[in-house]
Amino acid sequence: QKEVEQNSGPLSVPEGAIASLNCTYSDRGSQSFFWYRQYSGKSPELIMFIYSNGDKEDGRFTAQLNKASQYVSLLIRDSQPSDSATYLCALNTGRRALTFGSGTRLQVQP
Amino acid sequence: GAGVSQSPSNKVTEKGKDVELRCDPISGHTALYWYRQRLGQGLEFLIYFQGNSAPDKSGLPSDRFSAERTGESVSTLTIQRTQQEDSAVYLCASSLGRGVANTGELFFGEGSRLTVL
Repeated sequence: QKEVEQNSGPLSVPEGAIASLNCTYSDRGSQSFFWYRQYSGKSPELIMFIYSNGDKEDGRFTAQLNKASQYVSLLIRDSQPSDSATYLCALNTGRRALTFGSGTRLQVQP
Repeated sequence: GAGVSQSPSNKVTEKGKDVELRCDPISGHTALYWYRQRLGQGLEFLIYFQGNSAPDKSGLPSDRFSAERTGESVSTLTIQRTQQEDSAVYLCASSLGRGVANTGELFFGEGSRLTVL
């Protein structure tokens, strides 16, 4: 079992819709959770982090964490074509480096 | 510079040759990481430096891979006797503080794309 599981996609949503990206993880000791965005041919950049169960909102982005069910999700409201990218879930299992999932490719159709 | 700098941006080499990839982290960032990303895949952790020492090198795939960091700054990843399966983008990242900073913000370079023929 992979430490971090993501559906590779592509997830295709129309412009203006809500995009929902999901991630499950295996290590119950995971302490903190991150969403990185990676445009094609570019390096990843941090967009959200969450430590506590529940929701965390930042503009059009909402991260949701459920430690009991071992999943973390990212909602993107009012999706724009510029949101088209690969979204990488990452977590800190107590090691000194982040463990990344393989990413979900999001396509926002104009 | 303002960001993490990596060189070369592209490297094509023949199977069996050695390659060196360089990373210049953001000034003042004590933590430095190397990841590998194969085409269409996620990021695979290779090694982590805190200062000039590497407390976690568990991700290095074989003894053909080695890395060093000097002056708490530049790091070099060396791959000896390259194989075709080494073809990937090698990403370097840096961060403040020990291990992963509270915000988990790793600042990535643009990567070095390695192609082994």
